[in-house]
Amino acid sequence: GAVVSQHPSWVICKSGTSVKIECRSLDFQATTMFWYRQFPKQSLMLMATSNEGSKATYEQGVEKDKFLINHASLTLSTLTVTSAHPEDSSFYICSVLNTWTSGGPGDTQYFGPGTRLTVL
Amino acid sequence: SQQGEEDPQALSIQEGENATMNCSYKTSINNLQWYRQNSGRGLVHLILIRSNEREKHSGRLRVTLDTSKKSSSLLITASQAADTASYFCATDTGNQFYFGTGTSLTVIP
Repeated sequence: GAVVSQHPSWVICKSGTSVKIECRSLDFQATTMFWYRQFPKQSLMLMATSNEGSKATYEQGVEKDKFLINHASLTLSTLTVTSAHPEDSSFYICSVLNTWTSGGPGDTQYFGPGTRLTVL
Repeated sequence: SQQGEEDPQALSIQEGENATMNCSYKTSINNLQWYRQNSGRGLVHLILIRSNEREKHSGRLRVTLDTSKKSSSLLITASQAADTASYFCATDTGNQFYFGTGTSLTVIP
C-alpha cells in the first residue's frame, strides 16, 4: 500500500498558539486528501476534504477559520489549528485518496499514522 | 489478524428494499463503528456501538452487535439511490483501530 506520513506525531502546545500538522503522500501524487479527528474511544470524524490547488471542503460544524487547510502541492496538505484551546486536543489523522482507483465505490484511502495534539 | 471481514463484498438492490451487511472480527473490542464512503469522498461516520450494547438505531439505520459471535450487522431500511456507497465497519480494541474490507452497495432507482 501507499505510504502516508504525518508530522509531527505528537505535539503539546499552550492555549492560544497555532499548530501546523503536515500530511505527505510519499508514493504517489494525491489531488485529494482528507482530514479526520478522533477523540479517545470515539469514531473518526471527517473534518474536511483537501483538494490540491483549490479551497478545502469542510464538513458541517467544522470551523474553516479555526482549522486552516492548505493543499499547495500534490504530495502535501497541511492542517493548521489556529488559536488552539484544550478542547482541540485530539488525534488528527489524514488520508490520501488513491486516484488510480477513484471514480467508483470502494475508492482506496491510505491513512497517515496520525498526530496527537495536546493543548494545555 | 484483527481485521474485520465484511459480507457481502458487493450488494445490489432495488430502491425501497432493505440492505443488510455483516461484519465479523476476531478479538475483543471496546466498540464497533460503521462508516460510509461515497465515491471520491472521505469516510463518514454512521453509528458507534459499544461492546455492552446490542442494538442501536439512527434514522433508517439499525446496527446490531453480538460479541459472543464477534459479529455486527448494519441494516439500511427503505433504501434510496443516495445510499449507494461503500460501507465499512471498524473495530476499536483500545489499542488499535481496524477497518473491515467493506461492502459496496448499489441501490438501483
